[in-house]
Amino acid sequence: DAKTTQPNSMESNEEEPVHLPCNHSTISGTDYIHWYRQLPSQGPEYVIHGLTSNVNNRMASLAIAEDRKSSTLILHRATLRDAAVYYCILRDERVGGSQGNLIFGKGTKLSVKP
Amino acid sequence: DAGVIQSPRHEVTEMGQEVTLRCKPISGHNSLFWYRQTMMRGLELLIYFNNNVPIDDSGMPEDRFSAKMPNASFSTLKIQPSEPRDSAVYFCASSLAGQPQHFGDGTRLSIL
Repeated sequence: DAKTTQPNSMESNEEEPVHLPCNHSTISGTDYIHWYRQLPSQGPEYVIHGLTSNVNNRMASLAIAEDRKSSTLILHRATLRDAAVYYCILRDERVGGSQGNLIFGKGTKLSVKP
Repeated sequence: DAGVIQSPRHEVTEMGQEVTLRCKPISGHNSLFWYRQTMMRGLELLIYFNNNVPIDDSGMPEDRFSAKMPNASFSTLKIQPSEPRDSAVYFCASSLAGQPQHFGDGTRLSIL
């Protein structure tokens, strides 16, 4: 599976936007970009995913570079509840839909200051 | 809407004992995944099932670990005999084909 690179940690102020970067220079044409987050003492939680076009949902936005070698998860207004470890994961959808493994890296630990 | 349910939430036992972790996936989901999380190694996939059939168990550490899915609504992960290095948080996740995975709250396992 193609690898992703994320900063170890980031800080944000409450109510401000947060841009979490992810590099994936070896991404293949069939890799979807998935983002999950893990709040303290909880299991990972799906945030958003996309292939080529930018995506929006109620939790966040995903901006994908034109060459697909990087992407950015955007939290429009950070809250204290958004403090978590954010994982950027590539998943080859050819492997079989839900059968495709999620390979978690170390992620980015986001701290939100009041 | 009930999510993925794992039990027990915490387990403390002595080395050498058998440990059984349980998971009830979301109703209707046809894939189930077992993960282990430690500080050193992060989140690792141990095994996953599709339609109750084990598809990939290459992440299972060794023969002391075994997983079963006797029906669509129940799975177990068993460690026998347990060792201190098995101490970790074990997560179960389920999904429908092509959809995101939903994780349980995990079982925190401590082997003394």
